[in-house]
Amino acid sequence: EIVLTQSPGTLSVSPGERGTLSCKASQSVSSMSLAWYQQKPGQAPRLLIYGTSTRATGIPDRFSGSGLGTDFTLTISRLEPEDFAVYYCQHYAGSVTFGQGTRLEIK
Amino acid sequence: QVQLVQSGSELRKPGASVKISCKASGYTFAYHAIHWFRQAPGQGLEWMGWINSNTGDPTYAQDFTGRFVFSLDTSVSTAYLQISSLKAEDAAVYYCARDLSLSFDSWGQGALVAVSS
Repeated sequence: EIVLTQSPGTLSVSPGERGTLSCKASQSVSSMSLAWYQQKPGQAPRLLIYGTSTRATGIPDRFSGSGLGTDFTLTISRLEPEDFAVYYCQHYAGSVTFGQGTRLEIK
Repeated sequence: QVQLVQSGSELRKPGASVKISCKASGYTFAYHAIHWFRQAPGQGLEWMGWINSNTGDPTYAQDFTGRFVFSLDTSVSTAYLQISSLKAEDAAVYYCARDLSLSFDSWGQGALVAVSS
C-alpha cells in the first residue's frame, strides 16, 4: 500500500503570502492518481486538484499542483483568509490512501 | 447541480447497529461509484471502500470487513452504509463521496455517529 507523508504538519503563513505544501509517496505513483483536498472545521473535504495539476470546478487559480514520481506539491500563491484550513493529499490505485494532513494557519 | 445529502446524526449504544443514507441528485446515479470514508474526532480521512452504483457490487477496505455493509436503492438514487455491533471506536463522522475516477468531486455533508451506553 502506498503511504503518503505530508509536510509540514502545520504551516504558518501571513495572508497575501505564498503557501507551499508537500506530499511524498512511499513509492512512485501515477500523476493521474494524485489529488488534493481542503477541509474546514465541521465541513466535508472539498476537491481542489486532481491528476496532480488540474483544478477542480470552481477552484481559484491561486491554487496550483505539481509533481512527479514520489514528490508532489500544492501551492497557494496569495493566501486569502478563507484558505486557512487543513489540506490532504490523496492517492487512488485500487485502494485509496490519504496523507495525514497539513494544517495551514494564519501567522 | 451534483449533490449528495446524508442522513443526520445518530446516537447508538455499543453492540447496536446504524444505517446511514446518502442521497444523490443532479447526475445519473449509475454512472459514478460511491465511496465511503470515516473521520474519527480530530483525525484524518480513512477510506472504507466503495460500491458500484450500476451493479451494486461492494468493495471493502481491509480494515472495514465484517461489520460494515454498503448497499443501494437505485430507485431513489441512494447509497447506504450499515455498521453492526457498534464499538466505541466506531464513533466518527462518516462521509459518502462521488467517484470522479481517481478522485472524489462531490461529498456528502457527513453523518456523525456517536456510540455511548
